[in-house]
Amino acid sequence: DPKIIQKPKYLVAVTGSEKILICEQYLGHNAMYWYRQSAKKPLEFMFSYSYQKLMDNQTASSRFQPQSSKKNHLDLQITALKPDDSATYFCASSRRDWGNYAEQFFGPGTRLTVL
Amino acid sequence: TQTVSQSDAHVTVFEGDSVELRCNYSYGGSIYLSWYIQHHGHGLQFLLKYYSGNPVVQGVNGFEAEFSKSDSSFHLRKASVHWSDSAVYFCAVSAGNNAGAKLTFGGGTRLTVRP
Repeated sequence: DPKIIQKPKYLVAVTGSEKILICEQYLGHNAMYWYRQSAKKPLEFMFSYSYQKLMDNQTASSRFQPQSSKKNHLDLQITALKPDDSATYFCASSRRDWGNYAEQFFGPGTRLTVL
Repeated sequence: TQTVSQSDAHVTVFEGDSVELRCNYSYGGSIYLSWYIQHHGHGLQFLLKYYSGNPVVQGVNGFEAEFSKSDSSFHLRKASVHWSDSAVYFCAVSAGNNAGAKLTFGGGTRLTVRP
């Protein structure tokens, strides 16, 4: 059974529209993350959340807004989509215990294409 | 700021060969290092990690990595590769003093194993 679910697997959007990428994890983790992978850039960190609170934001644009409605959910809302936003977006999760360094587990990704 | 360099974008070996995938990092503080594998069209799978202790760490599927502080390296090795090891391998670093911190990835090394 998949432990980290990302929906949809593929997404096509038009420039200027808004989309929400869904992520749910069933690993009992208390930290969740978003990463982006495109042809132009290697895997890059976007956000991290712990106990539903934002820990780190490395995304310059406010068009990207994470949303955590439940402790095992971290959705990503993207507004005013641009072709440069085309990428595969990966959700990840981990335990977050002070002094313990737990590995991050990744979901299968959502491939977003903006036309 | 931590950076990661994977000097080889592509490595090709034959089945049964040994392989070493190189990873060098730059960071001034304590550091958490890991390797991930990405098969085509899939998310990342965790292979192994290092934070402290024995500099040689064992991972899944016969992979191991060795940390060297003097060389700022964390190279991944396997004694005898199988065709199913063909994938892209990512080295990642994280600031070791902040559990749950973002991972910074190298550009990846594509390993091709020929029969």
